[in-house]
Amino acid sequence: GQQLNQSPQSMFIQEGEDVSMNCTSSSIFNTWLWYKQDPGEGPVLLIALYKAGELTSNGRLTAQFGITRKDSFLNISASIPSDVGIYFCAGLYKGGSQGNLIFGKGTKLSVKP
Amino acid sequence: EPEVTQTPSHQVTQMGQEVILRCVPISNHLYFYWYRQILGQKVEFLVSFYNNEISEKSEIFDDQFSVERPDGSNFTLKIRSTKLEDSAMYFCASSHRVRYNEQFFGPGTRLTVL
Repeated sequence: GQQLNQSPQSMFIQEGEDVSMNCTSSSIFNTWLWYKQDPGEGPVLLIALYKAGELTSNGRLTAQFGITRKDSFLNISASIPSDVGIYFCAGLYKGGSQGNLIFGKGTKLSVKP
Repeated sequence: EPEVTQTPSHQVTQMGQEVILRCVPISNHLYFYWYRQILGQKVEFLVSFYNNEISEKSEIFDDQFSVERPDGSNFTLKIRSTKLEDSAMYFCASSHRVRYNEQFFGPGTRLTVL
């Protein structure tokens, strides 16, 4: 089946730092979505991307739909403690069925000790 | 802000028993989904549902699984005879008719099969 490779797997943040994570695939995707999941909760939709090259912001979050349509990245600027959690990329690939979101394995953000 | 709700939050059952997980999607949404997430792993698609029928299902969604929209508000997932490996978080999601790719997830039901 289709796979999304998400990296890094985990990272530590210090308040005020910028954070970057990305998702890549060997397949072309029509839609990229970024979700955040807190422990014991469901994924919360952060940003949706629909067109190659599209750059979309939601507060301190910025995400881009890669030109090749095979990747996407998410940036968090000036991180704060409540940014801690697991971030998932998800996508609908070209040729896939409607609604069948493929998820990455997640990037876990933790506070630097 | 409208949200997807799920009950129960935690369900413990014995292997071989039937369980029904319940969801109330966002009221003006027309597309409904079930996903599962085994502890520490990624979220996996199970099934999508539109216009009172299954649109798509994954390999995980075998004959032991079924979905139903028994009335105008609820959306249920039934596992007929649970197995140990069915233990996971089960998430319901829904999306609007227009921006149907933007799926909004509920808080999940943690299913533990003993």
